Amino acid sequence: DQQVKQNSPSLSVQEGRISILNCDYTNSMFDYFLWYKKYPAEGPTFLISISSIKDKNEDGRFTVFLNKSAKHLSLHIVPSQPGDSAVYFCAASITGNQFYFGTGTSLTVIP
Amino acid sequence: ETGVTQSPTHLIKTRGQQVTLRCSSQSGHNTVSWYQQALGQGPQFIFQYYREEENGRGNFPPRFSGLQFPNYSSELNVNALLLGDSALYLCASSGGSIVTQYFGPGTRLLVL
Repeated sequence: DQQVKQNSPSLSVQEGRISILNCDYTNSMFDYFLWYKKYPAEGPTFLISISSIKDKNEDGRFTVFLNKSAKHLSLHIVPSQPGDSAVYFCAASITGNQFYFGTGTSLTVIP
Repeated sequence: ETGVTQSPTHLIKTRGQQVTLRCSSQSGHNTVSWYQQALGQGPQFIFQYYREEENGRGNFPPRFSGLQFPNYSSELNVNALLLGDSALYLCASSGGSIVTQYFGPGTRLLVL
């Protein structure tokens, strides 16, 4: 039962352009959402999070948008840089007690 | 401030054996969660420990068990290993902002 889904396994973007990574969820009880970046042979690195009481959160080049009615969140990276090339996971939680991860989207930023 | 560390980095076991994986949480963090990540999949939640007590469990059988120590480090034990247990096992710790977890590099387990 995949409660968090990332339907795009891969994405390629030109350097300097916007990268948009998408994530859908099914459980309306989720109240916190996170994005992680993962390089090969490393653990996931926390990027940015958003509470269900907000619809947008920004941190530098990274912005996360939450659309609760559509049960959809997205991560925008502007401008994209080659160092952003990695696998991105979205995750959702109910009160931080249990976390559900998507299957990941592999982002390639082309110089 | 040290990050989350895990040991060993790699491990090879045979079916039926038992394995213990270890995790040291980030300084000041009192919550540790364990995940299993199969190839091409996202991390799957195994369980979480908060101040030495289990604080949530995912859909994993009882042969997956854990422990958290007074210094908040943690162990994951898996008994009666199956081929399907081959995966990357990730440990994550969190502290004041409990929903922000910080991951270790993982232990790659291969069951033959």
